[in-house]
Amino acid sequence: DQQVKQNSPSLSVQEGRISILNCDYTNSMFDYFLWYKKYPAEGPTFLISISSIKDKNEDGRFTVFLNKSAKHLSLHIVPSQPGDSAVYFCAANFGNEKLTFGTGTRLTIIP
Amino acid sequence: DAGVIQSPRHEVTEMGQEVTLRCKPISGHDYLFWYRQTMMRGLELLIYFNNNVPIDDSGMPEDRFSAKMPNASFSTLKIQPSEPRDSAVYFCASSLYGYNEQFFGPGTRLTVL
Repeated sequence: DQQVKQNSPSLSVQEGRISILNCDYTNSMFDYFLWYKKYPAEGPTFLISISSIKDKNEDGRFTVFLNKSAKHLSLHIVPSQPGDSAVYFCAANFGNEKLTFGTGTRLTIIP
Repeated sequence: DAGVIQSPRHEVTEMGQEVTLRCKPISGHDYLFWYRQTMMRGLELLIYFNNNVPIDDSGMPEDRFSAKMPNASFSTLKIQPSEPRDSAVYFCASSLYGYNEQFFGPGTRLTVL
């Protein structure tokens, strides 16, 4: 059973607009959430994270929102740039070493 | 630092053959993780080590899979015998404290014919 779900396998967004990637989770005990970005033929790289005690974390063009009651988090990219085209993975853990990843969303930024 | 190094980058083998994937973590990182990426299940954690000791291997799919970490700078993931359903991209990652950011290698794309 998939504890972390990314229900949109792909997303296309015009350059300069906002990209919103969504992630749902089933285990309310998850304590820490992360987003990773992956380019083809490379390993995932860490992008941004959020603790369960917060509902928002911002880093430049990237903002992650956490809605604990809905067990939902989202990644906002504003403005979207061509270099943002990649696969984005949502991940969660219980504040320990084990990360549970989603299946990923392929983001394509259209110039 | 060169980052996490994995070899080979690509491996094509026939069903029944033994496959060994190799990983060199970032120097000084105490945690090492092996993941498998498939379209259906995304990134799955197979096993992880802390200070060269296996901590959790509950993600290893079956006895055909084994992993070792003989020292702080080297780990292997072995599949014996390999099967077509093992075809996937296998990633190694390392981290300093375990609960924080993990640094991934470029992956090994395994194809079992």
